[in-house]
Amino acid sequence: GESVGLHLPTLSVQEGDNSIINCAYSNSASDYFIWYKQESGKGPQFIIDIRSNMDKRQGQRVTVLLNKTVKHLSLQIAATQPGDSAVYFCAEINSWGSRLTFGEGTQLTVNP
Amino acid sequence: EPEVTQTPSHQVTQMGQEVILRCVPISNHLYFYWYRQILGQKVEFLVSFYNNEISEKSEIFDDQFSVERPDGSNFTLKIRSTKLEDSAMYFCASSERSPVNTEAFFGQGTRLTVV
Repeated sequence: GESVGLHLPTLSVQEGDNSIINCAYSNSASDYFIWYKQESGKGPQFIIDIRSNMDKRQGQRVTVLLNKTVKHLSLQIAATQPGDSAVYFCAEINSWGSRLTFGEGTQLTVNP
Repeated sequence: EPEVTQTPSHQVTQMGQEVILRCVPISNHLYFYWYRQILGQKVEFLVSFYNNEISEKSEIFDDQFSVERPDGSNFTLKIRSTKLEDSAMYFCASSERSPVNTEAFFGQGTRLTVV
């Protein structure tokens, strides 16, 4: 079946380091992907999105890379800060845009 | 900054009872959603709602579930006869247009505990 999943459940980095969070998807027809951040006790918060006709998109301190050949998505966070500690989910939107399918989530811990 | 608000923040209910989870989406948004997250697991889609009707629902959203927009501001999720496995965090979300074109904003969630 179709699924969106993550390679690693946890990631621990030092403050100031760059972080890379990975995601694999299985639906080659996926057209649109989003990264969400979920802090403890809160709902998912939009970080950045990318369409399938792009391979890279940059935001403020974040970059999303899309490799359609191997169906892989990554989120890079530059100069990671303690406030970046959260669970990060990749999500896919179906072709008619009514449903987000979330991956398993990666817990990012930033050590001071 | 406008936000999606959900009440209550925590609901404890006896198995078999009915619960209604309430959400106030962002005022100019037209698309509404419910998602749930069982503790430690990923966020799962339940239902999307547009133009006063369900656009899409998942296999989780069976006959025990229903949604309603009773007035111009509230969006509710009703579970008719709760089961232990309904215990989860329930998130409401809304978007101005289709989420392909615009960001979906999530509320803080309602933690439902069925005992």
